[in-house]
Amino acid sequence: NAGVTQTPKFQVLKTGQSMTLQCAQDMNHEYMSWYRQDPGMGLRLIHYSVGAGITDQGEVPNGYNVSRSTTEDFPLRLLSAAPSQTSVYFCASSPNPTRTQDTDTQYFGPGTRLTVL
Amino acid sequence: KNEVEQSPQNLTAQEGEFITINCSYSVGISALHWLQQHPGGGIVSLFMLSSGKKKHGRLIATINIQEKHSSLHITASHPRDSAVYICAVRYRGGADGLTFGKGTHLIIQP
Repeated sequence: NAGVTQTPKFQVLKTGQSMTLQCAQDMNHEYMSWYRQDPGMGLRLIHYSVGAGITDQGEVPNGYNVSRSTTEDFPLRLLSAAPSQTSVYFCASSPNPTRTQDTDTQYFGPGTRLTVL
Repeated sequence: KNEVEQSPQNLTAQEGEFITINCSYSVGISALHWLQQHPGGGIVSLFMLSSGKKKHGRLIATINIQEKHSSLHITASHPRDSAVYICAVRYRGGADGLTFGKGTHLIIQP
């Protein structure tokens, strides 16, 4: 299994540009989430999905869009990039956090480092 | 906003020392996670627990539900243990993601 993969690893955007951060997992996990990590702060939840076709907002959703058309893929779209979106983005998956404890083990992707100029 | 507090923020120790990192949270949880973030940036899950104690190799994690507190211990620390250790909780009923502490930056000197 490849686990959780993210592309690209690095990206530089200009203010106003749009782009999609890709995330895929091959473990048949129901739950997927996107976090951003900023210096001096803990990871913060952007959006999450509890299964194909179901998404919801997290703590910091503004400026981001997601979709979950398949179990495997959970792309994050930046609609109009702003310097405040400069961050490291992590995608994570788990079997199902609400079913049993054992299904809450988190698997993280390697991260995407995004700079918005 | 429910907070997750970690202490210390930074810790430098000598190889072989016993390390303790603490995590406290404010309301009832269904699970607490300890994660390790390597200098290269990757994040790995170490433990998930809701009661008692778990051990994996030289790492031990404990949780006290009544006191809303968890500790991560490293015995016989080694320079390869140098990393950021992150505590995260899932609040009860919370399918909506984890709440993370800011992390403890650990450096083990040879």
